[in-house]
Amino acid sequence: GEDVEQSLFLSVREGDSSVINCTYTDSSSTYLYWYKQEPGAGLQLLTYIFSNMDMKQDQRLTVLLNKKDKHLSLRIADTQTGDSAIYFCAGNSGNTPLVFGKGTRLSVIA
Amino acid sequence: AAGVIQSPRHLIKEKRETATLKCYPIPRHDTVYWYQQGPGQDPQFLISFYEKMQSDKGSIPDRFSAQQFSDYHSELNMSSLELGDSALYFCASSHRGRRGTDTQYFGPGTRLTVL
Repeated sequence: GEDVEQSLFLSVREGDSSVINCTYTDSSSTYLYWYKQEPGAGLQLLTYIFSNMDMKQDQRLTVLLNKKDKHLSLRIADTQTGDSAIYFCAGNSGNTPLVFGKGTRLSVIA
Repeated sequence: AAGVIQSPRHLIKEKRETATLKCYPIPRHDTVYWYQQGPGQDPQFLISFYEKMQSDKGSIPDRFSAQQFSDYHSELNMSSLELGDSALYFCASSHRGRRGTDTQYFGPGTRLTVL
């Protein structure tokens, strides 16, 4: 089955860029997602990318997909304190359950 | 825009009691997923329904059951509760488009505490 891995912690200064990385094992994962979870809150869909794309930009968010290396990254430009949260990478193959990584805890230092 | 609604938001039960969690999907969404997130863990898939039929089954204990009703809302029934069932339970909904896209939108979750 699918296995998704992420680094657990990332600390950045306010105003810098953050890059959160994710690797996945199942090459049939056709859809890859980034979710944000603030403390005690639900999962907010940030963005997603289809496997036939290699980049997607949405305001301060840029997703890069390297299909050969099965590597996905989320770049947050001009990181703000409100971006402090846990970021989950997840994948599925269309109409299938999501498989999540362990989550990366982003801490933004003012 | 309407979001996924879950009730109750918080629930406290004793061991061996039963609990029912409810999920109301986004209007016109036909698929519901249930996930369990333990403390400090990533969400784990339990079960899903498409057009009122069970679609996929994950790590759902036999003590749990679920169904999707004619109005597309779903209920997760949990019996003989154990301490280890304490977790955040998420419902997600999606619409299965013709291209097979299935972007899942999550509700705020129900926090279940078993004492």
